[in-house]
Amino acid sequence: TQLLEQSPQFLSIQEGENLTVYCNSSSVFSSLQWYRQEPGEGPVLLVTVVTGGEVKKLKRLTFQFGDARKDSSLHITAAQPGDTGLYLCAGAGGGGADGLTFGKGTHLIIQP
Amino acid sequence: SQTIHQWPATLVQPVGSPLSLECTVEGTSNPNLYWYRQAAGRGLQLLFYSVGIGQISSEVPQNLSASRPQDRQFILSSKKLLLSDSGFYLCAWSRPPAHEQFFGPGTRLTVL
Repeated sequence: TQLLEQSPQFLSIQEGENLTVYCNSSSVFSSLQWYRQEPGEGPVLLVTVVTGGEVKKLKRLTFQFGDARKDSSLHITAAQPGDTGLYLCAGAGGGGADGLTFGKGTHLIIQP
Repeated sequence: SQTIHQWPATLVQPVGSPLSLECTVEGTSNPNLYWYRQAAGRGLQLLFYSVGIGQISSEVPQNLSASRPQDRQFILSSKKLLLSDSGFYLCAWSRPPAHEQFFGPGTRLTVL
């Protein structure tokens, strides 16, 4: 069974600070997705990383896929209250139709 | 553009009653469809997925079932609900071979 561990589970910081959250596994994934979920809503896809070592930027968010495709990180620069939410990482196996393996998420609160 | 709908948005049911949750996708054809349950502190759990009409794969043995009567319709059912069936149910779709999944707004089910 593939497992994804996300850390930290909870993070509360002040507006303007930087932060990094992590997604780690002992398994290799063919791709990894990051989602953001707000209370009472479905997760929204932020990015997909596919290649080991890949870095993708989405405004103030920087996503990195580990060289061995077992881990990933999300770095947020100058966090804003609108970044508050549950950040989920999800790994895809070898090209099957089965669902993604999700981590339990990082609950992020940005205080104004 | 593609959209995904779920209803009802919220549901309160007594133990032992039946269940039917519906999910429909617009703007795409032959999607892979998924049902997830999200319980507090446990992340997203894949329940069922489908690669085509009438084709259902179950990931977790339980008292729930799924059906896909039409290409873009996915139904989650139960004959007798248990207290442990309470949770947030999410439907998602993907377009193979891509692994990105796109989620509906979810149904909050409370079993009393």
